[in-house]
Parts: sequence; structure tokens; C-alpha cells
Amino acid sequence: GNSVTQMEGPVTLSEEAFLTINCTYTATGYPSLFWYVQYPGEGLQLLLKATKADDKGSNKGFEATYRKETTSFHLEKGSVQVSDSAVYFCAKRTSGSRLTFGEGTQLTVNP
Amino acid sequence: DAGVIQSPRHEVTEMGQEVTLRCKPISGHDYLFWYRQTMMRGLELLIYFNNNVPIDDSGMPEDRFSAKMPNASFSTLKIQPSEPRDSAVYFCATTANPTLNYGYTFGSGTRLTVV
Repeated sequence: GNSVTQMEGPVTLSEEAFLTINCTYTATGYPSLFWYVQYPGEGLQLLLKATKADDKGSNKGFEATYRKETTSFHLEKGSVQVSDSAVYFCAKRTSGSRLTFGEGTQLTVNP
Repeated sequence: DAGVIQSPRHEVTEMGQEVTLRCKPISGHDYLFWYRQTMMRGLELLIYFNNNVPIDDSGMPEDRFSAKMPNASFSTLKIQPSEPRDSAVYFCATTANPTLNYGYTFGSGTRLTVV
């Protein structure tokens, strides 16, 4: 197939907890990988990206490492904040211009 | 830079009416994408343009949907006639060069409700 699969949500955490949102992909080649975040009532925003194997993307305390051997790009953050509450989308771009998105994972962080 | 501008933000219309959604891309972004977001199907790519030319419209659900990009500053997505199952949030996204992996810039979306 040619898809992106994310862990099912919703995910609910307490402030300062550790976050992992799993993402795996299928692709015939070596795609570029992305995480997008969508805050309530807004469009998606690029959070981080990685374009080749073993690259680590990072932004705002979030990190994800491109793992070719496990075809994964899991999103992590060491200490979440209430303001991180949003929907997170994993995405890939193989050849061409289109992005393929995962289903999205709703994260709620409670104070 | 005002970003990708979509209008209207919200649209409520009756079944059978024509609906037109609008998008103004970021200046210099040659690629424009229309996505639809629903709870059931997530984010679906409907169509995308490069230099105002439609490249891939395989995601357009049926003939009731049409999209145009008459110039580099403007695109429309039209639904005629609209149906309740078209209710969704429609996003426009643009990028300068996908192969450089800058990522897409999304607009704030149009929430369409067809009653």
C-alpha cells in the first residue's frame, strides 16, 4: 500500500507528562516525512520534518526520527503543556507533489 | 505575509444550492491544493494545481465538484448542487516547491454545512 498510519486517539495526558504518538508508513521509495499540528478552528501547521533516513526533525520541544528499518516516524515530547492540546497529523511525500496524511491523533493535556 | 486566505470561514446553505469557496495563495507559491476534512474520512486531497493548471483531480468526488484557478492569485472550489454529505471543512494549501520539502501552508479553512 501507500499509506500513513497513526496511533488511534484520543490521547489524554497530564501536564509535564511524556508524549509519544506513533506513526508508520508504507511506501515504495524513500519518502519525506512530516508532522503537522492543527489547533482548534485553524488550518494545519508544519511542526517538523525529516527528509532522509536517520534524520531527526525537531521544533518546540517535539522530536521525531526517520527510522527506515521500522518505517516509522514517531512524535515525542518530554514534557507536554496544556497549550500542546491539538490534533497531530503524520504525513509523507513520496514522488510528485502530493502529501498523504494519517488519520490524525487528538491530544488533550490537562493541567 | 498574510498567509493563505480562505473565504468564507463559515457557510451554511440549503441542499441543492450552489456553493463557492475561495482561496488566495501566498504570492510566489506555484502549487495550490484543495483538501476536505471530515471525521469519517480525515483529510482527503481533492485537486491540486501547478502554475494555475490542474494536475491531479482524481480526488474530486463527483461531477458536482469543480475547481478553477484563473490566475496565480485566486482559486475557487464550487459545488453545484450541494448535498448534506458535502458538509465538511475545506482547506486550501499552497507551497513553492514540494520537492524542496518546505511543507505546505494551510489556510484556516471553510466550514461548510449543507442542511
